[in-house]
Amino acid sequence: GAVVSQHPSWVICKSGTSVKIECRSLDFQATTMFWYRQFPKQSLMLMATSNEGSKATYEQGVEKDKFLINHASLTLSTLTVTSAHPEDSSFYICSARVIDKRVRQYFGPGTRLTVT
Amino acid sequence: RKEVEQDPGPFNVPEGATVAFNCTYSNSASQSFFWYRQDCRKEPKLLMSVYSSGNEDGRFTAQLNRASQYISLLIRDSKLSDSATYLCVVNDLIQGAQKLVFGQGTRLTINP
Repeated sequence: GAVVSQHPSWVICKSGTSVKIECRSLDFQATTMFWYRQFPKQSLMLMATSNEGSKATYEQGVEKDKFLINHASLTLSTLTVTSAHPEDSSFYICSARVIDKRVRQYFGPGTRLTVT
Repeated sequence: RKEVEQDPGPFNVPEGATVAFNCTYSNSASQSFFWYRQDCRKEPKLLMSVYSSGNEDGRFTAQLNRASQYISLLIRDSKLSDSATYLCVVNDLIQGAQKLVFGQGTRLTINP
């Protein structure tokens, strides 16, 4: 199947700093990319949907000024967590979607963020 | 009511046993259905799509009942490597956009 990479795989940062997470589709062009967050023992929750060259669409309750999403190309999307707080500590997973004859969605390996 | 509901488990079964998971979804207009597998601290990986006609992939059988809005997954002759969390996932059209909606997941542990 298609490959989606994320970088970094894990990061520890101090409260108040910003962290950027990159998501790349390595061998295909993604029409849409998604960002999810997963807290321990909970399921994935969609944070935002982004299409290349346009503004991201955020889910209800997700602060767009805190979680900045940039989708500069069909193979790269970035999520920046600004002014991080300990409650932002979570597992962030990106996903890239391809639509040809059917809808297929591939997940990155995730980024574990710990804010101290 | 959650859009996709699963029994969170955990399920602890001996190796070789048959185990079944159930899932219900609330949106009757949901378009497609999947089972994903997620290992601890890893991303979800697609296990199989689910069709009304039912589909089988080796030891795994998935079934969809649109009338009851019910999805199932059956694992036969379970292996130790089947230990994971199984996520029921529905693809919905929400405000003009297609989005995957995840269930809470059912945790399965296969014991030797």
